[in-house]
Amino acid sequence: AQSVSQHNHHVILSEAASLELGCNYSYGGTVNLFWYVQYPGQHLQLLLKYFSGDPLVKGIKGFEAEFIKSKFSFNLRKPSVQWSDTAEYFCAVIPSNSGYALNFGKGTSLLVTP
Amino acid sequence: EAGVAQSPRYKIIEKRQSVAFWCNPISGHATLYWYQQILGQGPKLLIQFQNNGVVDDSQLPKDRFSAERLKGVDSTLKIQPAKLEDSAVYLCASSLDPRDRGQETQYFGPGTRLLVL
Repeated sequence: AQSVSQHNHHVILSEAASLELGCNYSYGGTVNLFWYVQYPGQHLQLLLKYFSGDPLVKGIKGFEAEFIKSKFSFNLRKPSVQWSDTAEYFCAVIPSNSGYALNFGKGTSLLVTP
Repeated sequence: EAGVAQSPRYKIIEKRQSVAFWCNPISGHATLYWYQQILGQGPKLLIQFQNNGVVDDSQLPKDRFSAERLKGVDSTLKIQPAKLEDSAVYLCASSLDPRDRGQETQYFGPGTRLLVL
């Protein structure tokens, strides 16, 4: 079945540590890729997106993601996390032959400790 | 710019009762989505509207769920009768036009948390 997989369900890091959250998808053909974040008590909001072009995408708050087509991956990275990055992170895919709804992974809960 | 509004924020009902959720998208957004997010899962699309027409309702349990978007603005999602497994957060999202690059970003509301007892 077509799906989006996020490998880490719970991640705990100390402040200033580097972050990488994995995301793989199983859709064929062209895809549009997204990372959404949900801070405690807040709405889901867009961190970054990839449609085409440079596979290294920069988003808000120092986040970036790299699209590796051969690996069907779109991993999220941040060189140095802060306590305020504590949140739930969701990878999502829109296959090109779809109706534009987001297909989400199960999410990764990140806790950054002081 | 006002965001996506949803009400109520919380609802507790007993199984077999009915419940309705309301969503007001961002002004001018043609596309409206309802997602269901069960605890520990990512959001899953229930139904997508383009203006007041349905684009995709393939994952909507039509025996108990219904949704409408009269006049292409506000939308209502109804569950009748509710089951225990309907306990979830119901998210509404809107976008300008997903077919146009740069206008495809979906903006989410705060969600309605439903508990079915």
